[in-house]
Amino acid sequence: DIQMTQSPSSLSASVGDRVTITCRASQGISNSLAWYQEKPGIVPKLLLYAASRLESGVPPRFSGSGSGTDYSLTISSLQPEDFATYYCQQYYNMPWTFGQGTKVEIK
Amino acid sequence: EVQLVESGGGLVQPGGSLRLSCAASGFTFSNYEMSWVRQAPGKGLEWVSFISSSGSTIYYADSVKGRFTISRDNAKNSLFLQMNSLRAEDTAVYYCARDRLAGRGVFDSWGQGTLVTVSS
Repeated sequence: DIQMTQSPSSLSASVGDRVTITCRASQGISNSLAWYQEKPGIVPKLLLYAASRLESGVPPRFSGSGSGTDYSLTISSLQPEDFATYYCQQYYNMPWTFGQGTKVEIK
Repeated sequence: EVQLVESGGGLVQPGGSLRLSCAASGFTFSNYEMSWVRQAPGKGLEWVSFISSSGSTIYYADSVKGRFTISRDNAKNSLFLQMNSLRAEDTAVYYCARDRLAGRGVFDSWGQGTLVTVSS
């Protein structure tokens, strides 16, 4: 199985900050990576897929990059509604696997 | 509007069975591949099972293989997960999730989830 490791596990940031979350796969996944946002009581929401493609309706302050085994999610200017837990997920190989999550909290 | 509504969760003893259902609306269900994803209390997301649009291709996570069975009824816009020989570690919120069209393994819509608790 491909292991997905996110860092950090949690971070504190202020509104307006630039935030970057990284995700490392245990083997190359050829950009087959998605990012999801999860808020308490709300179902997970797809943000990006194919490492850098923004899902329809997702604000452009979210962006993704990376290649091979290393990927990142960047929020260019953190907004109050962005405080949540973020998960990366590889869909290169079965079983599809998620990172352990990164909780973004208010500083 | 895409809607996925799960049902069938509850409290079950170890070794017991449950059948989860997911009612889909707002899109052409028969065109989409579907998955079940679960989240144990306080934990991250875990993909459980996948079924192709026709039902001809099915995959399972090793943790549930041989115990869980995924199926679908395209005429009734419904997805199912039959769970047998349940264990404490199967306790989780179970989500049905729609695979993005032409994007197998990318989940673009999720249900609200149904809680399965395995305990004596």
